[in-house]
Amino acid sequence: DADVTQTPRNRITKTGKRIMLECSQTKGHDRMYWYRQDPGLGLRLIYYSFDVKDINKGEISDGYSVSRQAQAKFSLSLESAIPNQTALYFCATSDSGLARTSEQFFGPGTRLTVL
Amino acid sequence: QQQVKQSPQSLIVQKGGISIINCAYENTAFDYFPWYQQFPGKGPALLIAIRPDVSEKKEGRFTISFNKSAKQFSLHIMDSQPGDSATYFCAARSIRTGFQKLVFGTGTRLLVSP
Repeated sequence: DADVTQTPRNRITKTGKRIMLECSQTKGHDRMYWYRQDPGLGLRLIYYSFDVKDINKGEISDGYSVSRQAQAKFSLSLESAIPNQTALYFCATSDSGLARTSEQFFGPGTRLTVL
Repeated sequence: QQQVKQSPQSLIVQKGGISIINCAYENTAFDYFPWYQQFPGKGPALLIAIRPDVSEKKEGRFTISFNKSAKQFSLHIMDSQPGDSATYFCAARSIRTGFQKLVFGTGTRLLVSP
């Protein structure tokens, strides 16, 4: 299912480098999210977007920024990567018209390693 | 502060056995409790969900039990199969956020041995 795609799928970078992770969706959903997954910590929300003009910080936004270039595209940037940002990053989408269920659809993830 | 506490962190069950994963919460404003299933190399996907006005929901071999007074809910996988081996996340949503934000538990890695 390629409804939510993430690029790159894997990335190794060095401390201090700027990194951008990209997410695209063909589901026509208006809401998009960025999470990071760490062993023992589960999924933690970094940023979320209601629509192109609405961007909100999640619980762990420090060190990250986002851009909603279009309804279908939501990018996550690490301005100056540090080793503790090594994690698995997921993009997700949901449809405000399905607010009752809150179902989120996840991309395949990007594994980021910061050396 | 973990708003949804999940246990155990890992679980090994023999084929045909029952897998049980537990979650607890404190926020009484939570009104929707989904479980997500994640296979290696994939993103999580919705498995089953429940609202606090019912005590149990069953879909095939998967059942959510919900105890509102104890603020606990659990996932039961009956007749567990090797194909059920995955990481399971419980989650919760507060209608007061008005945004479909989910708070996830820390995850349980389930291994079903053949």
